[in-house]
Amino acid sequence: DAGITQSPRHKVTETGTPVTLRCHQTENHRYMYWYRQDPGHGLRLIHYSYGVKDTDKGEVSDGYSVSRSKTEDFLLTLESATSSQTSVYFCAIKGNRTEAFFGQGTRLTVV
Amino acid sequence: AQKITQTQPGMFVQEKEAVTLDCTYDTSDPSYGLFWYKQPSSGEMIFLIYQGSYDQQNATEGRYSLNFQKARKSANLVISASQLGDSAMYFCAMRWGGGNKLTFGTGTQLKVEL
Repeated sequence: DAGITQSPRHKVTETGTPVTLRCHQTENHRYMYWYRQDPGHGLRLIHYSYGVKDTDKGEVSDGYSVSRSKTEDFLLTLESATSSQTSVYFCAIKGNRTEAFFGQGTRLTVV
Repeated sequence: AQKITQTQPGMFVQEKEAVTLDCTYDTSDPSYGLFWYKQPSSGEMIFLIYQGSYDQQNATEGRYSLNFQKARKSANLVISASQLGDSAMYFCAMRWGGGNKLTFGTGTQLKVEL
């Protein structure tokens, strides 16, 4: 157990509303990531962070923003949710060795 | 650009048989890492095995081994003595760049049959 908690686990929201997903880690790791998983695409990187207030874009960052004000928390915000953002969202951390550990995922539905 | 390709959308294997899941990659970076993850129907991502680009020997972890052929840019996962619990989606991924980013393939759905 790498100590990663995602919240909420499930959410249904309406088009145009803002949504924030939270990733919390207890291991004090430097690198944190947000991915989305869609059928036929595997997991695609949205944004990542390499330290407090240090973030960068991934391959599918349009429509998403992130913030990391504390080592343990990495927030993903959909400023104005669209149906194309219906997906399963995974948070991950890079452990002390090489592998990345994933949270349990958040299933987001935009109606 | 970095790319991971998994060409087998679905595979079937009989219990106790070995199975190979294919993965090819493309990168110009000499330093990279290759990973395999398992995603059962419950949805969590489970790390299985890792191979570094400079590792001389193929990685093994219990029933999992990684057949790393650097010149061919392939990193196939071999599961020996398949079990019913191995039925899951399997993802190949590559770590590259300074941000330790992972790029994933599209996955292979493995079904183990009696």
